Amino acid sequence: DIQMTQSPSSLSASVGDRVTITCRASQGISNSLAWYQQKAGKAPKLLLYAASRLESGVPSRFSGSGSGTDYTLTISSLQPEDFATYYCQQYYFTPPYTFGQGTKLEI
Amino acid sequence: QLVESGGGLQQPGGSLRLSCTASGFTFDAYTMNWVRQAPGKGLEWVSYITGNSGTIYYADSVRGRFAVSRDNAKNSLYLQMNSLRADDTAVYYCARRNRSGYFDSWGQGTLVTVSS
Repeated sequence: DIQMTQSPSSLSASVGDRVTITCRASQGISNSLAWYQQKAGKAPKLLLYAASRLESGVPSRFSGSGSGTDYTLTISSLQPEDFATYYCQQYYFTPPYTFGQGTKLEI
Repeated sequence: QLVESGGGLQQPGGSLRLSCTASGFTFDAYTMNWVRQAPGKGLEWVSYITGNSGTIYYADSVRGRFAVSRDNAKNSLYLQMNSLRADDTAVYYCARRNRSGYFDSWGQGTLVTVSS
C-alpha cells in the first residue's frame, strides 16, 4: 500500500500570509494526487486534483505542484475562510486510496 | 447530491446498515466509495464499488466485517457493517469517484457510535 506523509500537522499563520503544505508518497504516484479542505463539522471539499489542477469554483490563491513522490499545496494570501484542515490523497491505480494525516491551519 | 443515513449507536458486536442516496447525476456511471473519520482524527478510505458492482475493494481494517453494495435502480449505495468494534466509531461519508480517480462529491456524513 502507498503511504502518504503530510507535513506539518499544524500551522499557525495570519491573514495575508503565504503558506505551503507538503505531502510525500512512499512511491511515485504520477501526479495522482488531490487536495481537500475540511472545515469543522463539514464534509471534505475538493480543491485540486492531478496535483495542480484547480477544481471549478476554487479561488486561484490555491495552487499545487510536484511530481513523483513529493507534492505541495500553496495558499498565496490567506483569507479568513481558509482556516481549516487540509488533506492530501493519492488515487494512483487501485485502492486503498490513502490520505495524508491532515494539516490544521490555525490563526 | 449525496445524502447518507442509517448511522446511530450500536453495541460492540452489533450490526448497522448505512445508506447513501444520490441525485443529480447518472449514478450507475460512477464508482462510489465510503470514507470514514473517527472523532478528532483524519480521513480513512473504507470501501470502493464500481458502477456495475463488478469490482469491490475494502480497507484491511474492515475486510471480512463490512460489505458494500449498491442498487442502481434506487440510486443508492449501502454499507453493511457487522461485528462492530469501538474503533469503528466515526462519521461515515459516501464519496463519488471521478473518472480520473479523485473524489469530486461527498455526502454530509452519518455518525456511527459503537459503545456499550
